[in-house]
Amino acid sequence: DIQMTQSPSSLSASVGDRVIITCRASQNINNYLNWYQQKPGKAPKFLIYEASSLQSGVPSRFSGNGSGTDFTLTISSVQPEDFATYYCQQSYSVPPKTFGQGTKVEIK
Amino acid sequence: QVQLQESGPGLVKPSQTLSLTCTVSGDSINNGTSYWSWIRQPAGKGLEWIGRIFTRGSTNYSPSLKSRVTISFDTSKNQFSLKLNSVTAADTAVYYCAREGRVGATKAFDYWGQGTLVTVSS
Repeated sequence: DIQMTQSPSSLSASVGDRVIITCRASQNINNYLNWYQQKPGKAPKFLIYEASSLQSGVPSRFSGNGSGTDFTLTISSVQPEDFATYYCQQSYSVPPKTFGQGTKVEIK
Repeated sequence: QVQLQESGPGLVKPSQTLSLTCTVSGDSINNGTSYWSWIRQPAGKGLEWIGRIFTRGSTNYSPSLKSRVTISFDTSKNQFSLKLNSVTAADTAVYYCAREGRVGATKAFDYWGQGTLVTVSS
């Protein structure tokens, strides 16, 4: 199985800060990396595919980067509605479709 | 607009079978391009992919659950279902159904149900 490891597990940020979340795959997954946002009590929301392509309707302050095994999700200026947990997910191979363990972005 | 809705018992006894149904609207589960998945999330923990079904009923399952899981279609109702047998307390989680649709050259879970909590307890 391909293992996905996110760091940090949680972080605190103030509104307007730049936030960077890292996701590492246990083997080369090219750019087959998706990102999701989950707020408490809600289903995950799809944000980014192919490591850097924004899903329709996602604000441009979100961006993704990376290829191979190392990837990042950046929020250029975090807004109050961005405080949530973020998950990466590899779409390179199946089974299984593996997710990272999540990164919780909290208000400082 | 694609919508998914989970339904089924919220309480299952240990050793019994967990059964959930996902009703899809706004898309056909037999469209030949999308996969239909079940994903679960224990309280306070991350997302675990359980398995998926595709056109003509082909399936993939998580190796860790494969021996206990069955996912099937009911195309006449535009539904797909999850059965997980021999459940234990470790299977207590919010269960989501999700569409894995094509985006760019890949696939992603682009539509999700709201989730349903299943508790395993006597």
